[in-house]
Amino acid sequence: KAGVTQTPRYLIKTRGQQVTLSCSPISGHRSVSWYQQTPGQGLQFLFEYFSETQRNKGNFPGRFSGRQFSNSRSEMNVSTLELGDSALYLCASSGTHSNTGELFFGEGSRLTVL
Amino acid sequence: QQQVKQSPQSLIVQKGGISIINCAYENTAFDYFPWYQQFPGKGPALLIAIRPDVSEKKEGRFTISFNTSAKQFSLHIMDSQPGDSATYFCAASSASGGSYIPTFGRGTSLIVHP
Repeated sequence: KAGVTQTPRYLIKTRGQQVTLSCSPISGHRSVSWYQQTPGQGLQFLFEYFSETQRNKGNFPGRFSGRQFSNSRSEMNVSTLELGDSALYLCASSGTHSNTGELFFGEGSRLTVL
Repeated sequence: QQQVKQSPQSLIVQKGGISIINCAYENTAFDYFPWYQQFPGKGPALLIAIRPDVSEKKEGRFTISFNTSAKQFSLHIMDSQPGDSATYFCAASSASGGSYIPTFGRGTSLIVHP
């Protein structure tokens, strides 16, 4: 069974630009959540989608947004990039019927903002 | 934001030794406590998890001990091996909107010397 796939793995952007990251969950999983990982703040929850609906949202500004498609694939978008947005963005999938708490993470998309 | 405090930040042990990582939480509503292992360049991977209705759970060389009254839980790695060298994250979560959204500790960097 294929794991969680995130693309792109690495990207470099400049301040003010926007970026879109993609995540394909494990086949059959309907819950997809996103996390930001930085040395200073650790792992922080961004948002979670289940069956195309955002069910939970973390404490991030509105520049961070996401969506989920009918095939459970998810994208997150960050607009008006700031230097502080440089981070590893991780996607995790969980559960065929619900988010059971057992998260399966992808390898992440490492974003560098210059 | 609810906090999960993890210690130590870094840990060095000799091969064959016992590695102990501790976490403390504040929110008594938390009812699922997973530990994740992360190798450089990879996403976190679920190692072992516990719910508060048990005081201890063992899987191979990995054991979680849980103390509900003290709101603390710990990971013990017996017979530590160089391959265990990684960053370990504890987490605590409770159901929110039908999902378990984890609050992560800051992580412990474990180095096991041969």
